[in-house]
Amino acid sequence: DTEVTQTPKHLVMGMTNKKSLKCEQHMGHRAMYWYKQKAKKPPELMFVYSYEKLSINESVPSRFSPECPNSSLLNLHLHALQPEDSALYLCASSQHNFLDRVYGYTFGSGTRLTVV
Amino acid sequence: AQSVSQHNHHVILSEAASLELGCNYSYGGTVNLFWYVQYPGQHLQLLLKYFSGDPLVKGIKGFEAEFIKSKFSFNLRKPSVQWSDTAEYFCAVSPATSGTYKYIFGTGTRLKVLA
Repeated sequence: DTEVTQTPKHLVMGMTNKKSLKCEQHMGHRAMYWYKQKAKKPPELMFVYSYEKLSINESVPSRFSPECPNSSLLNLHLHALQPEDSALYLCASSQHNFLDRVYGYTFGSGTRLTVV
Repeated sequence: AQSVSQHNHHVILSEAASLELGCNYSYGGTVNLFWYVQYPGQHLQLLLKYFSGDPLVKGIKGFEAEFIKSKFSFNLRKPSVQWSDTAEYFCAVSPATSGTYKYIFGTGTRLKVLA
């Protein structure tokens, strides 16, 4: 299995809703990432998990809450989002060698989120 | 602050034309460099990467890139493009330090190849 699987592919939610995005990989990668991509813009890093621990939070608002229950699974919990949070949310994973160097991400196909 | 610049935002070429997309970065230390491609409606895919050694790197689908350290550049090239190369191309840089997993993406170059 050489894929990163993201569900759902599309999500429409109201500003008072609580929803979760899910990301799964079975490649043995020990780093997992959440990126946000607005239309015609590059992906912007939100969170990095390394060995199931949060290692980077790029000053993301608390209405986004990441969770890494195990080495294969990454969730992004959403609560009280704003319309400007509408975007493509990308999950990625990467492997590391003994020097902790990054060998390149494998990206999921993303969840297209619309906040109404 | 670290940044990645892709100067060509939109490129239109005819099939069989040669391609060169520019990528410059600002970071004083050692970096790992990547090019990703995003075909319409699809996810980001790794085209090629550079870590060390030969500065001329060959990737998938006939793409190659050259790392020129003195110019802080990592330009993407393809001798002869095809209609199927129509996509958005992102350059990305990651500081090559232990414990750093962060990518910085360029703004992307949208390539359209005319049949």
